Amino acid sequence: RKEVEQDPGPFNVPEGATVAFNCTYSNSASQSFFWYRQDCRKEPKLLMSVYSSGNEDGRFTAQLNRASQYISLLIRDSKLSDSATYLCARGDSSYKLIFGSGTRLLVRP
Amino acid sequence: GAGVSQSPSNKVTEKGKDVELRCDPISGHTALYWYRQRLGQGLEFLIYFQGNSAPDKSGLPSDRFSAERTGESVSTLTIQRTQQEDSAVYLCASSLIPSGGRQETQYFGPGTRLLVL
Repeated sequence: RKEVEQDPGPFNVPEGATVAFNCTYSNSASQSFFWYRQDCRKEPKLLMSVYSSGNEDGRFTAQLNRASQYISLLIRDSKLSDSATYLCARGDSSYKLIFGSGTRLLVRP
Repeated sequence: GAGVSQSPSNKVTEKGKDVELRCDPISGHTALYWYRQRLGQGLEFLIYFQGNSAPDKSGLPSDRFSAERTGESVSTLTIQRTQQEDSAVYLCASSLIPSGGRQETQYFGPGTRLLVL
C-alpha cells in the first residue's frame, strides 16, 4: 500500500460546483498534513496546512479524520482557475514530506 | 522577495553523461530539500540539508546521485552516468529550520526538467 494515496481523477465539474477529494495515509503517527496545488508544468504551491482536525480558508476546507486515516479537501463554488492538480502530503519527522500522486481537477464553464 | 530559483530549467543529456543541477534557496532559509517528480506522479523525497550538512540522504536512489550545499545557500545535485530512468523533474524547496517537531512551510522552485536520451 502506498504511504499516501489519492484518486488520480480527473474530476470534471461545472463552475460553481462543490467538489471534494480524499487522501488516505498509512502512518498513524503523522502529525501534519498539507494540500499543495500544482499547475501544469509548474512547481507545487502550498494551499493549506492541517495540524489538528481541520482548516478553512475562504472556499477551501480541509478536514482530518485520524481514526480513518484520511484528509479531505473541499472546494466550494469552484472557479475555472481552480483547475489544477491537488497534491496531498503528510509530514514525516519534522522535515520530510511524503506526497501522494495528486488528484486532477477540471472546472468547465 | 525572490523565491527559490533553479537552473537550468531544462536539460537534455545523453545516457552515461553526468549532470549538475543547481538550487538557490530563499535567503535566510537554512533548510533545503531536493525532490524528484516523475511524469504523472507525486514528489519523491531525495535529501534534506540543515545548513551545509545533510542529516537525511535516505531518498537518494543510488550512489550515482550526490548533493552538496555551501555557505548555507546554494545547493547542487549531481547525477553521474545518467540513465533513462533518471528522466524527471527535479524540484528544490527551502524553508526555515523546523523546530518543536512542527513542519515549516516548504517553498518550491520551478524545477529542472531532465531528459536522458
